[in-house]
Amino acid sequence: ILNVEQSPQSLHVQEGDSTNFTCSFPSSNFYALHWYRWETAKSPEALFVMTLNGDEKKKGRISATLNTKEGYSYLYIKGSQPEDSATYLCAFCGGSQGNLIFGKGTKLSVKP
Amino acid sequence: ETGVTQTPRHLVMGMTNKKSLKCEQHLGHNAMYWYKQSAKKPLELMFVYSLEERVENNSVPSRFSPECPNSSHLFLHLHTLQPEDSALYLCASSQVRRYNSPLHFGNGTRLTVT
Repeated sequence: ILNVEQSPQSLHVQEGDSTNFTCSFPSSNFYALHWYRWETAKSPEALFVMTLNGDEKKKGRISATLNTKEGYSYLYIKGSQPEDSATYLCAFCGGSQGNLIFGKGTKLSVKP
Repeated sequence: ETGVTQTPRHLVMGMTNKKSLKCEQHLGHNAMYWYKQSAKKPLELMFVYSLEERVENNSVPSRFSPECPNSSHLFLHLHTLQPEDSALYLCASSQVRRYNSPLHFGNGTRLTVT
């Protein structure tokens, strides 16, 4: 059974704090690692699709790194804002067909 | 506004009812998916359609029956469900069915089986 683990489960930070969380995934048969942001009452939205070991991606204040050999990815948010409050999901893809195995997510709350 | 639209947003049904969930994508994508999220569990893949052909059925009970009449529309037909089927059902699409093709999700249907 393939497992994707995310930590922490939830996180409360103050506006302006920088934060990061982790996604652990199998280190074999790696094809891609996806990150999604899911705000309450909205649909999950793709942030990054990462395919190469050592990849770093950035979108505004959010960035992600990838280590496929040890099976982890970090998501960083610099200077958190209340609008960053959401659940952040990662998903591992172990085949070319694209079937994703999701983690349970990290729920981020940013207080003004 | 999402390019993937799901209806209804909420559904309450009895165990003997028959109902359908509808999904429509306006993105010109070739692959469509049904996911289920139960309380405190990760998103679980149920079905995948690629170019209108079902290519994945992830050990889903036969009381769930998908239908993909064309590349823009996806249905999930429900009959004789159990209370444990209560969950959020999410539809998604991707440009192609490939590992580096991100998913575009709808807002989901919150299903309650009584």
